[in-house]
Amino acid sequence: QQQVKQSPQSLIVQKGGISIINCAYENTAFDYFPWYQQFPGKGPALLIAIRPDVSEKKEGRFTISFNKSAKQFSLHIMDSQPGDSATYFCAASGVDTGRRALTFGSGTRLQVQP
Amino acid sequence: KAGVTQTPRYLIKTRGQQVTLSCSPISGHRSVSWYQQTPGQGLQFLFEYFSETQRNKGNFPGRFSGRQFSNSRSEMNVSTLELGDSALYLCASRSGPSSYNEQFFGPGTRLTVL
Repeated sequence: QQQVKQSPQSLIVQKGGISIINCAYENTAFDYFPWYQQFPGKGPALLIAIRPDVSEKKEGRFTISFNKSAKQFSLHIMDSQPGDSATYFCAASGVDTGRRALTFGSGTRLQVQP
Repeated sequence: KAGVTQTPRYLIKTRGQQVTLSCSPISGHRSVSWYQQTPGQGLQFLFEYFSETQRNKGNFPGRFSGRQFSNSRSEMNVSTLELGDSALYLCASRSGPSSYNEQFFGPGTRLTVL
């Protein structure tokens, strides 16, 4: 089963707050977990990505936490800003030929209120 | 470097017609993938081409086809259009077929089937 479940569907956060988006996967063959950010009228853009050999990766205000045993990973956006308002997608892929394509979560629409 | 470009940006077709969408990858990128984005199904993988060969295919009917040219440009074709084919079609390129290679998405082609 190549499914990635993402929650919540939508999220409203006050400026300066922490935004947290969660994803869970089923296929243990996945070994690459990126997060994409998409603004209206644009294609998704890679935000940050992690491999399962580390439990956390931080880039600026964005942090991925990864729990291999639970098959879950999450995106934390610290000090959320109105410019972060966008749709966020988690994704997963693997090295096998049949799994190199990205399997996306359903997306989270984040709104950061000023 | 110029990003991934897709043409046309918008298309309106009627049921039963066929359509061809075009994608020009980032210079030097030899892998091109296509994704369909709809509100109901989210982002779904269509197929990937690398060096003019289809390397991976998603779970879509045979009406959806694609090809890649020697200059890495790619086209996808949808024949006998159905109302449910209305979607944003996204092209993504990366330097190689490895899942660890970052995928860069274009802005998409918005297809409306009437």
